[in-house]
Amino acid sequence: GNSVTQMEGPVTLSEEAFLTINCTYTATGYPSLFWYVQYPGEGLQLLLKATKADDKGSNKGFEATYRKETTSFHLEKGSVQVSDSAVYFCALKSSGDKLTFGTGTRLAVRP
Amino acid sequence: DTGVSQNPRHKITKRGQNVTFRCDPISEHNRLYWYRQTLGQGPEFLTYFQNEAQLEKSRLLSDRFSAERPKGSFSTLEIQRTEQGDSAMYLCASSLRTGGAGETQYFGPGTRLLVL
Repeated sequence: GNSVTQMEGPVTLSEEAFLTINCTYTATGYPSLFWYVQYPGEGLQLLLKATKADDKGSNKGFEATYRKETTSFHLEKGSVQVSDSAVYFCALKSSGDKLTFGTGTRLAVRP
Repeated sequence: DTGVSQNPRHKITKRGQNVTFRCDPISEHNRLYWYRQTLGQGPEFLTYFQNEAQLEKSRLLSDRFSAERPKGSFSTLEIQRTEQGDSAMYLCASSLRTGGAGETQYFGPGTRLLVL
C-alpha cells in the first residue's frame, strides 16, 4: 500500500536559517506529491505540489523536487521566518483519489 | 470563494451518544472528502463523494459511521454510539474533478470531537 515517511519533529531553527524537512514515499504507480501546512489554529493549506518526476513545486520561498530514483520529496527553504512556524505534512495521491499523509513535522522558528 | 466550512467546530459528547457533523464545500466543487486526524498523526482518509455518489470508503469507517451527500452539495458525517476512540479532528476537503494528476483538495478547519 501507499505510505509516506517524514522526519520526526519538532524542528527548531533560528530566523534566517536553512530548512530541510525530509519526506520519502512508497506508492504504486506514479503518484502526485504534495506538501500541506497547518498554521496554529487553522486548517490544512496546500503549500506546493509536483505531479511527475523531476518536477519542482515552489511557493512562498519553499521548494520541493520530485525525485523518483530516491522516492523523495524533501521540503526546503533558504531562510525561514518566525511566521513559518507550523506543522508541515507531506502527502501523496496515487491511483485512487484519496491523499495519504505523513505524520507531520512541527517547525518552530525562534526570532 | 468562501472556502470549505465545517460545523460545529467543537463537539463534546458522552460515550454512546450519536453525533453529526456538517461540511459545506467550495460551491463549484464536485468532490468531497472526509478524513480523521488524531493527535500527532497525519489525516487518514475515511470516505469521499463525487456529486451525491459515495465512491470509496476506508476500512477505518466502521458500521457506526455513515456519510451522506444527498444533493451533491453539503455532506454530513454521523457517528452512532460514540466511543472514546472516536475522539479526533474530523476534516472535510473538496476539489473540482479535472482528471488531472495534481487535482488539489482544499480543507476546512475541522470539527474536533471529544468523547467522554
